[in-house]
Amino acid sequence: EVQLLQSGGGLVQPGGSLRLSCAASGFTFVDYAMTWVRQSPGKGLEWVSSISGRGTTTFYADSVRGRFSISRDNSKNTMFLQMNNLRADDTAVYYCAKYYASGTFYPFDSWGQGTLVTVSS
Amino acid sequence: DIQMTQSPSSLSASVGDRVTLTCRASQDISDYLAWYQQRPGKVPRLLIFAASTLQPGVPSRFSGSGSGTDFTLTISSLQPEDVATYYCQNFKSVSWAFGQGTRVDIK
Repeated sequence: EVQLLQSGGGLVQPGGSLRLSCAASGFTFVDYAMTWVRQSPGKGLEWVSSISGRGTTTFYADSVRGRFSISRDNSKNTMFLQMNNLRADDTAVYYCAKYYASGTFYPFDSWGQGTLVTVSS
Repeated sequence: DIQMTQSPSSLSASVGDRVTLTCRASQDISDYLAWYQQRPGKVPRLLIFAASTLQPGVPSRFSGSGSGTDFTLTISSLQPEDVATYYCQNFKSVSWAFGQGTRVDIK
């Protein structure tokens, strides 16, 4: 059974930094690209960033490019999202998710439990 | 970037009703379209892949159709457990854009 267990998140001041983690199990981690999706309170889903299976290719939404950095440690089956220079509009529940199949032109078939990031002074 | 537009933004229907949700892409995405269900307070769940392929475990009352720019998600007989927000997603382009969602309630 695929499991994605998230950690990190919490309250941070504007301009601050936070690191999210997503520990995966139940599948061959290196074979799958992974992604982060966020959901602001009461709003819809917004794709944030993706990373290829071997970590050689990364993608970012315009809203976070230059501030967020996605990475993965395939030896530990874990993906990360380093968030710097956080703004109030980054406040959201952040989900990690696994791509449906090998490659990135697929939807997301397994999701973590979500972690709340609140940016406020 | 490809934009995804869903309609209506919300609907209310009776148990047993047939419900149709629409998703439109701003340009041709072939069948690179997925549907997700997000029940209140829960994690999104992939319902349909490639416009019409039901995921394992998804009830057969759900169906998807369409290709190119216009897509539909149909619930043939609405059940109380179908109360949720439904999102379409384009997975042909790098933005993996979601529609804004359609909220489905029971009347």
